[in-house]
Amino acid sequence: GENVEQHPSTLSVQEGDSAVIKCTYSDSASNYFPWYKQELGKRPQLIIDIRSNVGLNKDQRIAVTLNKTAKHFSLHITETQPEDSAVYFCAATSGGNNRLAFGKGNQVVVIP
Amino acid sequence: NAGVTQTPKFQVLKTGQSMTLQCAQDMNHEYMSWYRQDPGMGLRLIHYSVGAGITDQGEVPNGYNVSRSTTEDFPLRLLSAAPSQTSVYFCASSGSGVQETQYFGPGTRLLVL
Repeated sequence: GENVEQHPSTLSVQEGDSAVIKCTYSDSASNYFPWYKQELGKRPQLIIDIRSNVGLNKDQRIAVTLNKTAKHFSLHITETQPEDSAVYFCAATSGGNNRLAFGKGNQVVVIP
Repeated sequence: NAGVTQTPKFQVLKTGQSMTLQCAQDMNHEYMSWYRQDPGMGLRLIHYSVGAGITDQGEVPNGYNVSRSTTEDFPLRLLSAAPSQTSVYFCASSGSGVQETQYFGPGTRLLVL
């Protein structure tokens, strides 16, 4: 099945700097790649996604890029703010694109 | 809309006991799923359903059963609880499949002694 890996596991950034989290996937048939944010004690929430027919999706301070050839996609957060501190999960479709396989998560800490 | 609701919020079981975790959504979503979240392990898919009467196994289905008799409800049954099933369980739903926003419930924290 699909194997999704995230790097780094923990990322600390100064407020105002940029943060980048990279995910790799194994199934070349995967065609949808969302990112979910989970604040402490809360439920995961979708923040951005990308489909296999585009290379970039941007929404204000966050963006996701996809490299299908290398089978990796990355979350970019610019001008980080304390409220960006959370665990971020990437995911990729698997099992005939009927399921989502999640990575293990990245802890992002924004230092004021 | 209440969105996705889960009950109970917290449960303690003894090894060997059975129980049902409830999940309901009021958004008329076809796709529903159950995940478990363990420290350092991310979200792992237990079972999912693409519509009423249709269910399928995910990544870690052993020890769990599901049914989908209505569009709104997707209960998860633990047949004989084991300490390895101590986890936080999230139910999620989306309109028609995984390639849409997954709306997660608030989670059920389960402790098996």
